Amino acid sequence: QSVLTQPPSASGTPGQRVTISCSGSSSNIGSNTVNWYQQLPGTAPKLLIYYNYRRPSGVPDRFSGSKSGTSASLAISGLQSEDEADYYCAAWDDSLNGRWVFGGGTKLTVL
Amino acid sequence: EVQLVQSGAEVKKPGESLRISCKGSGYNFISKWISWVRQKPGKGLEWMGRIDPSDSYIKYSPSFQGHVTISADKSIGAAYLQWSSLKASDTAMYYCARLDFWSGYYYFDYWGQGTLVTVSS
Repeated sequence: QSVLTQPPSASGTPGQRVTISCSGSSSNIGSNTVNWYQQLPGTAPKLLIYYNYRRPSGVPDRFSGSKSGTSASLAISGLQSEDEADYYCAAWDDSLNGRWVFGGGTKLTVL
Repeated sequence: EVQLVQSGAEVKKPGESLRISCKGSGYNFISKWISWVRQKPGKGLEWMGRIDPSDSYIKYSPSFQGHVTISADKSIGAAYLQWSSLKASDTAMYYCARLDFWSGYYYFDYWGQGTLVTVSS
């Protein structure tokens, strides 16, 4: 059972816009920033979004992040076949003397 | 170019000890913390702990405290994750990840390629 809650799956057709939600609590998302990671099949996770909405250089602007209260969202516009991957949200959690927590991951399928 | 290069896959028996490594390059190794993250087969990511290579201060996740040991050798730019007695339930992919920060908040910006640890009798 992950501390952050994500839908296990999401899907869309090429060109569509899809969103992935991440729900937490006051001790994590409510008081800290959210980061998003993309994990392509058989590879290591890659940073997609940090500080709720900032994109590292090299990440297309089709990817965007937002946060409100104790929830966050990742949006992918102009969906492409290469976006098919697992997506994870992460945040620092102030409980239990502090720890990083992840969502359970969302498998995105491009139909 | 920042790189974190991890040691190769390991196959061990229950009860055996193991140390895996993560070598950083392309940046000042002691300037960024290193974390270890576990991913069991077909499952999600779990944070195990992090180390500050400049002074070897370590923070463990409560879930992993006492089960693993994290260390670093700043002279060679490497971080380590070790077990004294492996169990079958330790079978997983293990990633090291560098922590950077912006405006006071941290994030994992670079990841190693992963080390697959298989524990089986």
